[in-house]
Amino acid sequence: GAGVSQSPRYKVTKRGQDVALRCDPISGHVSLYWYRQALGQGPEFLTYFNYEAQQDKSGLPNDRFSAERPEGSISTLTIQRTEQRDSAMYRCASSLGGGETEAFFGQGTRLTVV
Amino acid sequence: AQSVSQHNHHVILSEAASLELGCNYSYGGTVNLFWYVQYPGQHLQLLLKYFSGDPLVKGIKGFEAEFIKSKFSFNLRKPSVQWSDTAEYFCAVNGYNYGGSQGNLIFGKGTKLSVKP
Repeated sequence: GAGVSQSPRYKVTKRGQDVALRCDPISGHVSLYWYRQALGQGPEFLTYFNYEAQQDKSGLPNDRFSAERPEGSISTLTIQRTEQRDSAMYRCASSLGGGETEAFFGQGTRLTVV
Repeated sequence: AQSVSQHNHHVILSEAASLELGCNYSYGGTVNLFWYVQYPGQHLQLLLKYFSGDPLVKGIKGFEAEFIKSKFSFNLRKPSVQWSDTAEYFCAVNGYNYGGSQGNLIFGKGTKLSVKP
């Protein structure tokens, strides 16, 4: 597609439920990143992939969070047993990869856990 | 660990005023530096970036930023702001230590700019 696409745009879920957030990067982009942004804060790194390989998951806050990119394109960020503190904007970005490339961001998914 | 500090949380200016938003980073090695902008209701967009070369970089919409290595700073400037510049601005850095790949960006907390018409 023309840009990074994230779905859903808005998600309201009950505490304890699992949620899956989807990111469809720009076609041909090697690298894909997940960020979380709380209100009044900057985006906080969660994890990133080159192709299907997860390169760094040091930003995932705990083992309830996981991400995959099985075919090196679309990625899913899954949060199990959601808690209210998981409420935030979840942003995905992609880039061509390699040095000196720009990361393009999607519109984000606003997750609210009630 | 890398970190980014943006000094101003909210800046209010009148149209035609000059703008300077401060950004300092903490990282001992080679860095790539970025300013992103988020207009109301839109996604993050790149304003400008610095990788190497001339420390004064020019971006879109008349913005520029100067990398001062000795001060670990990358301040954003615009000589004359417009109402349409109202947005949130984020400084970001990544340490160039991933064998050529971009790696992850570390963002500051952001500065909200409100421009009064």
